[in-house]
This record gives sequence, structure tokens and C-alpha cells, in this order.
Amino acid sequence: DAGITQSPRHKVTETGTPVTLRCHQTENHRYMYWYRQDPGHGLRLIHYSYGVKDTDKGEVSDGYSVSRSKTEDFLLTLESATSSQTSVYFCATFDRGFYEQYFGPGTRLTVT
Amino acid sequence: SQELEQSPQSLIVQEGKNLTINCTSSKTLYGLYWYKQKYGEGLIFLMMLQKGGEEKSHEKITAKLDEKKQQSSLHITASQPSHAGIYLCGAPPSGTYKYIFGTGTRLKVLA
Repeated sequence: DAGITQSPRHKVTETGTPVTLRCHQTENHRYMYWYRQDPGHGLRLIHYSYGVKDTDKGEVSDGYSVSRSKTEDFLLTLESATSSQTSVYFCATFDRGFYEQYFGPGTRLTVT
Repeated sequence: SQELEQSPQSLIVQEGKNLTINCTSSKTLYGLYWYKQKYGEGLIFLMMLQKGGEEKSHEKITAKLDEKKQQSSLHITASQPSHAGIYLCGAPPSGTYKYIFGTGTRLKVLA
């Protein structure tokens, strides 16, 4: 199993507060992804990174920003959390030469 | 943009029954991945298909990519309670690594 951890695993926060989720990998994979999973929508890509300091938007990037200053860490920030951002967030990594993306265990975020 | 549609959205079967889940793409597929997610957990890779007509099996799960490369089916033979979970298909649009996923199929197997 790829060593992907996410922190925190659960978080409850209030509307309007900033929130940062962390994804850490030990596999030295080049590509890292943040997805959100919601009922009826499946997995939707928020942002992804194709190298240190290289990021690109996914289909649901509004309200989210990311940063990747090291290969192993990919941070997802909600600048001002809204109730619509209540979701389960998954981090994943990928590298060429492998078949699949490797997923972290997920972070359940509730915005009240 | 490319979209993946899965059917059915949910499925309840009796243990021992066979079942099929479909994943249809709005554009040609350049690789199609199947993942399984146990409730409350992350995704686990099942298999990847690349060539039209390709078929792969993993234990009692078989997946196939049709010749025109716009649809994949996942078939479970003699289902067991351990097969329960959410099955998702995923694909990278041509020329990108920005994966898209289907909406998922929730499978429940009754013992």
C-alpha cells in the first residue's frame, strides 16, 4: 500500500472560518490530487498537482486553494468555509509507471 | 468535457447472484479504472483496462472495455457479502492526468 495519510480525519468547523487539510505521501509520487465525494456526485476533482509548486484546477475548484512546497505534502485550504463544502475529502497520488491512483483514507469535514 | 455515467446507481442482490455494473463515457476512453470503496473508507484499485475488447478478472470480478472504447462493464459472479460497497469507474481524459470518476454504484449483498 502506498503510504498516504490525511489529517485531520474528522473536523467540524463553523461557517466563515479557514480550514486546511493536509495530505502526506511517502511514495515520492509526482502527481497529487484532492477530490471531494458527495452523494449523487461521486468523486469530483478539486485541484491537482503535477510537481512541486505546480498545480492546476479541477472541476470544482471555486472556494478552494492548494499548495505544494514539498513532494510529499499537498495542502487544501478552504479560505472561508461554507456549508456547501461539507463533504468527505480524499487525497490521491499517481506516478507514471503505475497503473492506478492511490487514495488516502479521507477527511470528513462538517461546516456548521 | 468528458463525463462518466454509471448504472445502476444502487443494487441490492441476494448472496450467490450474479450482477453487472456499467460505466458509459461521453467520449472515447483512453484507459478505464475500476475502484471499490468500502463504506467510510478510501478507494481500492480493482483493475485497469486500456485496449478495446480487453477483459480482466480479479477473483470473482470481471471487467471488460467494449470495442468502441466508450463503455465498460464490471461483472461479479456468485456475489458475497464481502463484495458490498461502492464501485466507481474512473478515467483520465485524453492528454491529461486530471482523472474523472463516475457517480458510483452502491452494492448491497444480502446474506
